Amino acid sequence: AQKITQTQPGMFVQEKEAVTLDCTYDTSDQSYGLFWYKQPSSGEMIFLIYQGSYDEQNATEGRYSLNFQKARKSANLVISASQLGDSAMYFCAMREYVRGGATNKLIFGTGTLLAVQP
Amino acid sequence: ETGVTQSPTHLIKTRGQQVTLRCSSQSGHNTVSWYQQALGQGPQFIFQYYREEENGRGNFPPRFSGLQFPNYSSELNVNALELDDSALYLCASSLSATGELFFGEGSRLTVL
Repeated sequence: AQKITQTQPGMFVQEKEAVTLDCTYDTSDQSYGLFWYKQPSSGEMIFLIYQGSYDEQNATEGRYSLNFQKARKSANLVISASQLGDSAMYFCAMREYVRGGATNKLIFGTGTLLAVQP
Repeated sequence: ETGVTQSPTHLIKTRGQQVTLRCSSQSGHNTVSWYQQALGQGPQFIFQYYREEENGRGNFPPRFSGLQFPNYSSELNVNALELDDSALYLCASSLSATGELFFGEGSRLTVL
């Protein structure tokens, strides 16, 4: 069974500094996709970044980058130059594959609450 | 703004009652997924509808049911509510059964 583990319940970071949020995953599939979402207090899940299992380069989207280490089964999110508006819950998720085909079922971790301090 | 709207935003029910939550998907999206997010947890997949048919279900009992309409909007129905059903219910729409998900802001259900 697929599983996502986020071991940091909460993190603090100073404004303008970089922060790394940890995510490890477990799957026996060769094909999989990894996501990071941001969830502010409003509740909406905001897509940040995606990494496919066959992507050779680490994904980047603006201030977000994904440190993908396949052998270690980790997909850490790096946020550079933190801003006050980055304060939120962050979830790592994996797309489930069934019989080799992608589905829309995402398996989420328990999240990390990030607080950016001025 | 993802274009996915959910209603109601908040509601309170008592044990044993029934509830219907609604989701209007982003224009052109034919797939809707529903997730339950208990306090302090990540979302858990309930089920997915693709072109009005359920085509994937998580580990939820049959009292969780859904519908998708010809305009691709969707409903989540929960019968015989239990205290543990208290959660944020998130709807997500996508262009296909395997496309990028766009989430709404959720409906927060409290069961007393």
